[in-house]
Amino acid sequence: QKEVEQNSGPLSVPEGAIASLNCTYSDRGSQSFFWYRQYSGKSPELIMSIYSNGDKEDGRFTAQLNKASQYVSLLIRDSQPSDSATYLCAVINAGGTSYGKLTFGQGTILTVHP
Amino acid sequence: GAVVSQHPSRVICKSGTSVKIECRSLDFQATTMFWYRQFPKKSLMLMATSNEGSKATYEQGVEKDKFLINHASLTLSTLTVTSAHPEDSSFYICSASARGTYEQYFGPGTRLTVT
Repeated sequence: QKEVEQNSGPLSVPEGAIASLNCTYSDRGSQSFFWYRQYSGKSPELIMSIYSNGDKEDGRFTAQLNKASQYVSLLIRDSQPSDSATYLCAVINAGGTSYGKLTFGQGTILTVHP
Repeated sequence: GAVVSQHPSRVICKSGTSVKIECRSLDFQATTMFWYRQFPKKSLMLMATSNEGSKATYEQGVEKDKFLINHASLTLSTLTVTSAHPEDSSFYICSASARGTYEQYFGPGTRLTVT
C-alpha cells in the first residue's frame, strides 16, 4: 500500500465547475498536509497547508481534512483553464529521522476545459 | 514572501564534468533545504535533506560522493553533480523550510542535460 494515494486522473471539468481532488494516507500519526500545484515543466507551488480537522478556505481553494478517515481533499471553485495542472498531495509523517520530509502522492492531472 | 531561487535554470555539460546548482531563499532564513530530482512524467524524488551547518542526510540509493550538498548559510545551499553522466540528466529542484515550520517552498528548478 502506498503511503499517500491519489487518483491519477485525468480529471476533466468544465470551466466554472468545482473540481474535487482526493487523497488518502496510511500513517495515522501524520500531522501536516499540503497541496501543491505543478504545471508541466515547472516546479511545484504550495497552494494550501492544513493541520487540523475540518475545512480551510483560501480564495477559490478549500482544503478538507478528516484524520479519522485519513483523508484530505482539495476543492477548486469556479475552475479556470489556468487551473489545469498536476495537483500533488503531500504529507509529513509522524516521527522519522528526516525533519519535515514530505511524502508525495503520485499526483492528479486536472484539465479544465472552456 | 517565501521565495526560493535557483541558478542556473538550465545547464548543458559534457560527460565527466561537474556542475554546481545554487538554491537561495530570498526573503526568509531556510534552516532546512531539500533537493529533489524529477524525470519526465514521474514523481518528485527526494535526494537529500540538509540543515544549515550540518552534513546532508541522503536518501537510500543516492550516492553522497556523486551529489555533493553544502548548506553553508541560512539562505544558500548548493548541489554539485560530480563526474556527470547522461543518466544524470534530469530536472533538479530545491525546496526550503523556515525554522519551526513545515511548509516547503520550491525553487523554479534546474534542467540539467549531460551530453
